[in-house]
Amino acid sequence: EPEVTQTPSHQVTQMGQEVILRCVPISNHLYFYWYRQILGQKVEFLVSFYNNEISEKSEIFDDQFSVERPDGSNFTLKIRSTKLEDSAMYFCASSSSPASGEQFFGPGTRLTVL
Amino acid sequence: SQQGEEDPQALSIQEGENATMNCSYKTSINNLQWYRQNSGRGLVHLILIRSNEREKHSGRLRVTLDTSKKSSSLLITASRAADTASYFCASFSGGYNKLIFGAGTRLAVHP
Repeated sequence: EPEVTQTPSHQVTQMGQEVILRCVPISNHLYFYWYRQILGQKVEFLVSFYNNEISEKSEIFDDQFSVERPDGSNFTLKIRSTKLEDSAMYFCASSSSPASGEQFFGPGTRLTVL
Repeated sequence: SQQGEEDPQALSIQEGENATMNCSYKTSINNLQWYRQNSGRGLVHLILIRSNEREKHSGRLRVTLDTSKKSSSLLITASRAADTASYFCASFSGGYNKLIFGAGTRLAVHP
């Protein structure tokens, strides 16, 4: 069964460093998302992406964040200058049709900022 | 406003018992979904119920939706130790991009 994959599974970085989190969505999906979950808290929406454009973003998704689809298969989330409070689990999701309501989530990347 | 608040926050039961988790939401929805998350892992989509549906079944899962009360419930029948996980309701806020998740119910099923 096709699934969303994410790499790395765990990333440790120093405050102020740039990180890139990678996702490979399900191959025929065209809608992509990033969410994050700070330990013990709710899953929060960050951004949605379609047709090489951001379609919606949350207040969390400030200028330090960017997303890109560099090729036909990868979808990346970049954090330019990490802060301690960026430590969280980051989930990528994809969908074939938003109206279907179903987003397929990857296993997540645990980001630890020291 | 919060969208999707589950109760109870934690539920502990014995294998074979039924587990019921509730979710309340504040704004109008097109559909409501339930996800499972095993400890430290990704989110697994369990079931989606549309706003014009009142009840839906999938295996041992039964979901109800009461749009007049803005609430939903997830029932897991004949629970198993493998059902131990956190369960979240989620719904879309303004369109079909942004899923809003509740805080979740942590279910522990003891053998």
